[in-house]
Amino acid sequence: GDSVTQMEGPVTLSEEAFLTINCTYTATGYPSLFWYVQYPGEGLQLLLKATKADDKGSNKGFEATYRKETTSFHLEKGSVQVSDSAVYFCALSSGGSNYKLTFGKGTLLTVNP
Amino acid sequence: SQTIHQWPATLVQPVGSPLSLECTVEGTSNPNLYWYRQAAGRGLQLLFYSVGIGQISSEVPQNLSASRPQDRQFILSSKKLLLSDSGFYLCAWSEGPGQGAKTEAFFGQGTRLTVV
Repeated sequence: GDSVTQMEGPVTLSEEAFLTINCTYTATGYPSLFWYVQYPGEGLQLLLKATKADDKGSNKGFEATYRKETTSFHLEKGSVQVSDSAVYFCALSSGGSNYKLTFGKGTLLTVNP
Repeated sequence: SQTIHQWPATLVQPVGSPLSLECTVEGTSNPNLYWYRQAAGRGLQLLFYSVGIGQISSEVPQNLSASRPQDRQFILSSKKLLLSDSGFYLCAWSEGPGQGAKTEAFFGQGTRLTVV
């Protein structure tokens, strides 16, 4: 079945540091890939997505590239801010008869001033 | 535009009491609907999903049940709450079948349930 593995952290960085959160997946066919962000006490918000190999999703300075050869979708940001502190979830959707999103366990990011 | 409403935002219930959490979606038709639970503020566990009225699939055996009485309404229930039912419950929707199943899910703001 489908699965997503992401670094669990927690990750603690200083403001303006470079961020990488690793995500790899196992899926049949060609899934769509997503990164969601959850701020404290809130629901999940879609951060970015990629629907086919070599696509790059980007939003708010975050980027992730769909790498089919390595089955990866790593999240990166060149310069994090305190306001980026949140839990980040990698997810995939295989579509077809499977309507479910499969999530990783989440990575807690704390950015200190 | 589409919106999702989930209520209540917080709930404190005694052990053995019933539960009803409601979720409604506006601005779309025939959505896929989901209930997730998040324990300890981290991982997401899919509890139920529905692809149409009256069609409910359960992912894990548990003390909870779900119903979809209308196209855009999804209800999570329990007859008798357990302490282990405490957690953060999230409702979500995605585009329905025939509209492209490989699409993202959109989440409500969640319900913090504490069973005491």
